[in-house]
Amino acid sequence: EAQVTQNPRYLITVTGKKLTVTCSQNMNHEYMSWYRQDPGLGLRQIYYSMNVEVTDKGDVPEGYKVSRKEKRNFPLILESPSPNQTSLYFCASSRTGGRDEQYFGPGTRLTVT
Amino acid sequence: GQSLEQPSEVTAVEGAIVQINCTYQTSGFYGLSWYQQHDGGAPTFLSYNALDGLEETGRFSSFLSRSDSYGYLLLQELQMKDSASYFCAVNFNKFYFGSGTKLNVKP
Repeated sequence: EAQVTQNPRYLITVTGKKLTVTCSQNMNHEYMSWYRQDPGLGLRQIYYSMNVEVTDKGDVPEGYKVSRKEKRNFPLILESPSPNQTSLYFCASSRTGGRDEQYFGPGTRLTVT
Repeated sequence: GQSLEQPSEVTAVEGAIVQINCTYQTSGFYGLSWYQQHDGGAPTFLSYNALDGLEETGRFSSFLSRSDSYGYLLLQELQMKDSASYFCAVNFNKFYFGSGTKLNVKP
């Protein structure tokens, strides 16, 4: 089954404790992306990757890191989480990037206390 | 970032037609896309307009006019399962989403 998987689905952590949210896709997609969703603000892009070893900032990259060492994986790293990073996070992938549909993972609900 | 405006909420009855508008203040983007998101779920792709005009996919149609900085999603023969939030997005290599329109379909 073609899908994007994220882990964990739920995470409660404390300020400053480094964490990684994993994202994997099995569709051989070139483009992968991370979004955060907050009430009333829609989806905001954090980082995106056009291909392996190619990453770029989205609209709200501060406080986040990403890497794309393999085509299928695109982990999101919070080196020192803060309460304002409490949010719902979605990973997405698409075949070519902007010109076709994005497939979204199920989401990771992160709470930073 | 880019600014995309959508109505926050729309209510319609089952079987009706509803149009959700999206206005934006940007240019040079690749296209305008629409996503549906049910409560507690992930966004799912509905439609994409690379060119001006109407794209039809079953009960859903989407329209883009670059000269008017405007697009819309048209949902026909509304069903209860269409109750969800709908997001427009413009993309370069980056994506910019609107804040979403919550559609309430009533019997």
